[in-house]
Amino acid sequence: GAVVSQHPSRVICKSGTSVKIECRSLDFQATTMFWYRQFPKQSLMLMATSNEGSKATYEQGVEKDKFLINHASLTLSTLTVTSAHPEDSSFYICSAGGQENRYEQYFGPGTRLTVT
Amino acid sequence: AQSVSQHNHHVILSEAASLELGCNYSYGGTVNLFWYVQYPGQHLQLLLKYFSGDPLVKGIKGFEAEFIKSKFSFNLRKPSVQWSDTAEYFCAVNTGTASKLTFGTGTRLQVTL
Repeated sequence: GAVVSQHPSRVICKSGTSVKIECRSLDFQATTMFWYRQFPKQSLMLMATSNEGSKATYEQGVEKDKFLINHASLTLSTLTVTSAHPEDSSFYICSAGGQENRYEQYFGPGTRLTVT
Repeated sequence: AQSVSQHNHHVILSEAASLELGCNYSYGGTVNLFWYVQYPGQHLQLLLKYFSGDPLVKGIKGFEAEFIKSKFSFNLRKPSVQWSDTAEYFCAVNTGTASKLTFGTGTRLQVTL
């Protein structure tokens, strides 16, 4: 149980275009999902907390107009990187809050974004 | 805001050696503590967690961790590492009032044959 998927696993896009990444909880409902960014050989940095049916809460320094988050259902959250630039290239990871214990998170496999 | 420190950035051990990875956090209130492992090319997996109760927590693959409240520490241990334990290890914390996780910088463990 508690499986989280992400799609796509890898994406290459050109500068100036937008990219959407999906995060799904496959066998449970997640009222809260989290989006992280991981630079090579570094830790995960929380970008935003996404709550179903409400606006996401962004961490300090994260541009909400650039990283659009939508959590339209209890099993799906999306992250759209708008007007992507090469510096947005990174590994994006989502997680979903546990059903039985809201302090536990289950992580997706991540999406490697490369902006050329 | 809480922070998490992992002082060992890169550890190299021979197979069968004992492992201890340090994790310290800064937060005075109730905390929940986690260790995650990220094998090369794979996603984060939960090794073990502490919410309350016995401060010595046993996880998967022979790992354990001890919560020492007075030292604000949650060190990860394994008596005898295997080559397959080569991975990145992350300590993470969330507080009793919020579910978002704060991660340490990670420790890269390399186990040699």
